[in-house]
Amino acid sequence: GNSVTQMEGPVTLSEEAFLTINCTYTATGYPSLFWYVQYPGEGLQLLLKATKADDKGSNKGFEATYRKETTSFHLEKGSVQVSDSAVYFCALSDKARSASKIIFGSGTRLSIRP
Amino acid sequence: DADVTQTPRNRITKTGKRIMLECSQTKGHDRMYWYRQDPGLGLRLIYYSFDVKDINKGEISDGYSVSRQAQAKFSLSLESAIPNQTALYFCATSGAGARDEQFFGPGTRLTVL
Repeated sequence: GNSVTQMEGPVTLSEEAFLTINCTYTATGYPSLFWYVQYPGEGLQLLLKATKADDKGSNKGFEATYRKETTSFHLEKGSVQVSDSAVYFCALSDKARSASKIIFGSGTRLSIRP
Repeated sequence: DADVTQTPRNRITKTGKRIMLECSQTKGHDRMYWYRQDPGLGLRLIYYSFDVKDINKGEISDGYSVSRQAQAKFSLSLESAIPNQTALYFCATSGAGARDEQFFGPGTRLTVL
């Protein structure tokens, strides 16, 4: 079945460092891919998404490119801030009877040091 | 006001008790979902509903039941709570498109003693 594998955490970086969180997926068909972020004490919120191969999603300085050939959707940011400290989830849509269920990775906790 | 609300936000209960978690949404979405979150396991789908008359089991439905009282309301029940149901529970909603994102509530932290 469909699945998502993402980089295990925790990841600790200094402010202004470059960030990569790896995500690979297994899916039949052409799912949409998502990155969600969970700030402390809050629910998940969509960070970015891509709906077809070679699409690049971007938001708040974060980017991820849908790579069908490597089945990957790695999250990157050029210069992280303390406020980026959160848990990041890679996810894919799993179509079922014309509607979507989302399958989540296990999450990567990111901590940024001032 | 939040689009997706959950009550209660925190609950401590004892083994064997019946518990209901409630979710309401003002987004006008037909689709609603219940997930549980455990450390290191991400989110796992418990139940989902495409509309008021369509309810489906997710990957971990054993020990849980749901009720879709209206388009805007979707409740999760633990008929007889057990300690390994201690977790963070999230409700989510989505639109009708196959690629629509899901919108999450703030979560309910449930502890079963």
